[in-house]
Amino acid sequence: DAGVIQSPRHEVTEMGQEVTLRCKPISGHNSLFWYRQTMMRGLELLIYFNNNVPIDDSGMPEDRFSAKMPNASFSTLKIQPSEPRDSAVYFCASSPGGTGTDTQYFGPGTRLTVL
Amino acid sequence: GDSVTQMEGPVTLSEEAFLTINCTYTATGYPSLFWYVQYPGEGLQLLLKATKADDKGSNKGFEATYRKETTSFHLEKGSVQVSDSAVYFCALSPGGYNKLIFGAGTRLAVHP
Repeated sequence: DAGVIQSPRHEVTEMGQEVTLRCKPISGHNSLFWYRQTMMRGLELLIYFNNNVPIDDSGMPEDRFSAKMPNASFSTLKIQPSEPRDSAVYFCASSPGGTGTDTQYFGPGTRLTVL
Repeated sequence: GDSVTQMEGPVTLSEEAFLTINCTYTATGYPSLFWYVQYPGEGLQLLLKATKADDKGSNKGFEATYRKETTSFHLEKGSVQVSDSAVYFCALSPGGYNKLIFGAGTRLAVHP
């Protein structure tokens, strides 16, 4: 299997622009997660989906962030408008089921820089 | 709320030294516990896990035992290699709930 695929790997944009990050989970996995990693705050869960339905979005920082999962093989995380404090590495992960014992498989991440 | 506390890094060791990275947690119920590793420029990958008290997870020479009485899940390896240099994250998944709460991460540097 190709693993979790994220695109783009790097994104540089200017403040106020819209940014869309993309994720393709491992085929057959039912859960998908978006995380943000920064030096100051470490790894934070933003949102997770189970069977394409958002289950917990309590980590989404504010209304500028939105996430969708239109089907089992694709998810997007959108920031509109972007701000410099959104600069971080964004990881997508997927897991086979919906239980707390499942292993999560991480993508390589998207490094976002907002100028 | 649930949380994970790891020893601060960086940890610097010589090759073949013994490694311990401390991890303690706070959680209600019966969480599952994990160690993930992140190599430079890559995403996280599972190193080992334990899903109930007294379970020992092991992989690639690393071990950790789920200690409910001390709420700990310390990572150990008897002889580290240069290739073990990475950032190690302790994490928990609250009982019955499919999410991960991570510690701050501990950077390990192993020198020849």
